[in-house]
Amino acid sequence: DAKTTQPNSMESNEEEPVHLPCNHSTISGTDYIHWYRQLPSQGPEYVIHGLTSNVNNRMASLAIAEDRKSSTLILHRATLRDAAVYYCILLIQGAQKLVFGQGTRLTINP
Amino acid sequence: DAGVTQSPTHLIKTRGQQVTLRCSPKSGHDTVSWYQQALGQGPQFIFQYYEEEERQRGNFPDRFSGHQFPNYSSELNVNALLLGDSALYLCASSYPRDSYYEQYFGPGTRLTVT
Repeated sequence: DAKTTQPNSMESNEEEPVHLPCNHSTISGTDYIHWYRQLPSQGPEYVIHGLTSNVNNRMASLAIAEDRKSSTLILHRATLRDAAVYYCILLIQGAQKLVFGQGTRLTINP
Repeated sequence: DAGVTQSPTHLIKTRGQQVTLRCSPKSGHDTVSWYQQALGQGPQFIFQYYEEEERQRGNFPDRFSGHQFPNYSSELNVNALLLGDSALYLCASSYPRDSYYEQYFGPGTRLTVT
């Protein structure tokens, strides 16, 4: 399983953008970049995924470096509800298991 | 539309006992995966069930076993419980044939082994 590296923790303020980085220097051409987050006392939830191009959805944006060795999850306007642990995961399309690392614990200040 | 449900919410067992955890997948999903999450760690994949068979297994001993029923619900069984089995057990369901592949997680069962 390809490895990802994320900062242990980050802090931001409410209503400001948040950029969560992820390094994946050993990514292969068939690996999709997935992001999940886990709110306190809940199971993980899917946020976004992408392969090469930047992606946007109602929750976040995913910016993927041109060489695909890193990516950034962007929360455009953080709310208190976005405080969670964010996991960056590499997956081959159709892969059966998610391999979670330690993730980044995001704290949002009011 | 009910999401993934798990029961019970919390459970306390003694070392050496056996436990069964239950999961009902999201409507329309036929694949169930189980994960173990120790305190302060990310979830670890235990195994996945599809068409009532174990499809893939993580690095867990045979004390961990499972079952999937014709209605796609699933059980996780753990025998000869150890203190180290204390964790949050998460169930996730999916429909992998979708081009948009996503796993939906339940809230988990908190198992405490004393």
